[in-house]
Amino acid sequence: DAGVIQSPRHEVTEMGQEVTLRCKPISGHNSLFWYRQTMMRGLELLIYFNNNVPIDDSGMPEDRFSAKMPNASFSTLKIQPSEPRDSAVYFCASSSSETQYFGPGTRLLVL
Amino acid sequence: GESVGLHLPTLSVQEGDNSIINCAYSNSASDYFIWYKQESGKGPQFIIDIRSNMDKRQGQRVTVLLNKTVKHLSLQIAATQPGDSAVYFCAENRDQTGANNLFFGTGTRLTVIP
Repeated sequence: DAGVIQSPRHEVTEMGQEVTLRCKPISGHNSLFWYRQTMMRGLELLIYFNNNVPIDDSGMPEDRFSAKMPNASFSTLKIQPSEPRDSAVYFCASSSSETQYFGPGTRLLVL
Repeated sequence: GESVGLHLPTLSVQEGDNSIINCAYSNSASDYFIWYKQESGKGPQFIIDIRSNMDKRQGQRVTVLLNKTVKHLSLQIAATQPGDSAVYFCAENRDQTGANNLFFGTGTRLTVIP
């Protein structure tokens, strides 16, 4: 079975550019989560969806971050404009119960 | 404030020895706990979980112990192998509304010495 799929795996961009991260959850899972991981702050929940509806976006750092889930098999996390402090690994996870299954992550570097 | 935390940020063990990774939680209402393993360059991988109505659960070479009295969770790895080297996270589900929202600890880095 395919797990959670994320793209791109690596992204290098310049400050001010728009960045779009993509996630395909495990088929049949009705919850999707976006996390950010840094050495300083560890694993932080940014936002999660239940049945394609955003439930809690209190972890989204600021208005530069937005997330969408247009259907059950696809979600995006967008940063516009990007800043160097956004550099991190961004994980998507999905679940059908309490157990979340993580994707491989997107390593983002903003110069 | 409420948090999930680990006592030891790093742990080194000899190959073949048993490892014990600890985690403290502060929300007595949490009813579900998970251990994840994260290898370098990969996403966290589910290892084992336990519900609050249990004290112990065993998997293959791993055992999770839950002490609700002192709000303490531990992961025991038997006969530790080099492939066990990773960062281990505990996570708790504090939300009794049914949302599948997990709160993660800061992680413990386990290094297995050959």
